[in-house]
Amino acid sequence: NAGVTQTPKFRVLKTGQSMTLLCAQDMNHEYMYWYRQDPGMGLRLIHYSVGEGTTAKGEVPDGYNVSRLKKQNFLLGLESAAPSQTSVYFCASIASGHTEAFFGQGTRLTVV
Amino acid sequence: AQSVTQPDIHITVSEGASLELRCNYSYGATPYLFWYVQSPGQGLQLLLKYFSGDTLVQGIKGFEAEFKRSQSSFNLRKPSVHWSDAAEYFCAVEGGSYIPTFGRGTSLIVHP
Repeated sequence: NAGVTQTPKFRVLKTGQSMTLLCAQDMNHEYMYWYRQDPGMGLRLIHYSVGEGTTAKGEVPDGYNVSRLKKQNFLLGLESAAPSQTSVYFCASIASGHTEAFFGQGTRLTVV
Repeated sequence: AQSVTQPDIHITVSEGASLELRCNYSYGATPYLFWYVQSPGQGLQLLLKYFSGDTLVQGIKGFEAEFKRSQSSFNLRKPSVHWSDAAEYFCAVEGGSYIPTFGRGTSLIVHP
């Protein structure tokens, strides 16, 4: 019963470094999302995917790229990290039929 | 466009007291509505959801919410709060696009 798994859970990057966050779900969900959570801002949508091979921009996409080569995985990339990208990142997935979102445990990223 | 407003950033209640967390949404038709709870260091977990039908919905942990179309509200209630209910609570709306929009969250503090 893994659900949605995010890797890594914590990371510290230097400004300008790159990294990839991995989200894996084992529920065969069609829809996947990356959100960032900042104090007082709630969850803001970065990118999302409505199916394998598709991606789309959300509310705050700048500085991030995503890929969904396999249905179960949704990768979030930071090509050149900036301190403004210090945040907690959450991946979520939804099955078809407008059911609830299932969330990963989050990745706490600090950019120094 | 859909949006969610949670007017209270923090709510403080005494253990055993009743609780109501406010949520107002903006959407042209009847949306799908959700309440999630986030414990410290964790992802979000669904408390309850409204899709259609009975406007009073029951959720886990003794929570309930009432959908009021005339007020565009979906307030969360609990008759008697327990110390373990201290957490961040998020209201979310989804208008049929499979893209949930979250409010900024309400932090619940429970005094013994």
